[in-house]
Amino acid sequence: AQSVTQLGSHVSVSEGALVLLRCNYSSSVPPYLFWYVQYPNQGLQLLLKYTSAATLVKGINGFEAEFKKSETSFHLTKPSAHMSDAAEYFCAVSLKAAGNKLTFGGGTRVLVKP
Amino acid sequence: DAGVTQSPTHLIKTRGQHVTLRCSPISGHKSVSWYQQVLGQGPQFIFQYYEKEERGRGNFPDRFSARQFPNYSSELNVNALLLGDSALYLCASSLGYGQTNTEAFFGQGTRLTVV
Repeated sequence: AQSVTQLGSHVSVSEGALVLLRCNYSSSVPPYLFWYVQYPNQGLQLLLKYTSAATLVKGINGFEAEFKKSETSFHLTKPSAHMSDAAEYFCAVSLKAAGNKLTFGGGTRVLVKP
Repeated sequence: DAGVTQSPTHLIKTRGQHVTLRCSPISGHKSVSWYQQVLGQGPQFIFQYYEKEERGRGNFPDRFSARQFPNYSSELNVNALLLGDSALYLCASSLGYGQTNTEAFFGQGTRLTVV
């Protein structure tokens, strides 16, 4: 069975500062990894995904994540935070053999200070 | 193109009642999955349907059931509602099942409040 741990339920950053959200996963086989963003009272929007191609994945809105197998990590970064980045972010893992169902972490809420 | 649509967007039910939530996937998508997101937590997998057959079930009681129709839309049913069933219920659609490069697209969710 796979699992996801997101370190830090809340992160506060200043506008223009680096955003770093941490995600570690556990899986018996190489997984697919995803980052989703959720704005208040909305569904989930895919930011980026890793599906065993390039380990550095670029997504929408200037976000990127790096898959590190040795560290079982898939941390999300953005060089310069914008006020519109305030939202909740979820890391998720799926396995092709399990029908691609998603297992989510607990989420990290990002607050952006002006 | 329409995305994943869910109805209703909000509803309030009383303990012990029954509820039906509906989901229409993106045109051409044959797989629908349901997730429960309790306030302050990540979504939890409930069911996955592909080609009208159940392909996966999460750790939820038998009060939860679902089905998929010939047009690939889906219903999630919850019987004997408990206060703890209050949550945002998310529907996700994807092209297929167990594919290499697949992506799940989520609807806006149905906010269920049980009082």
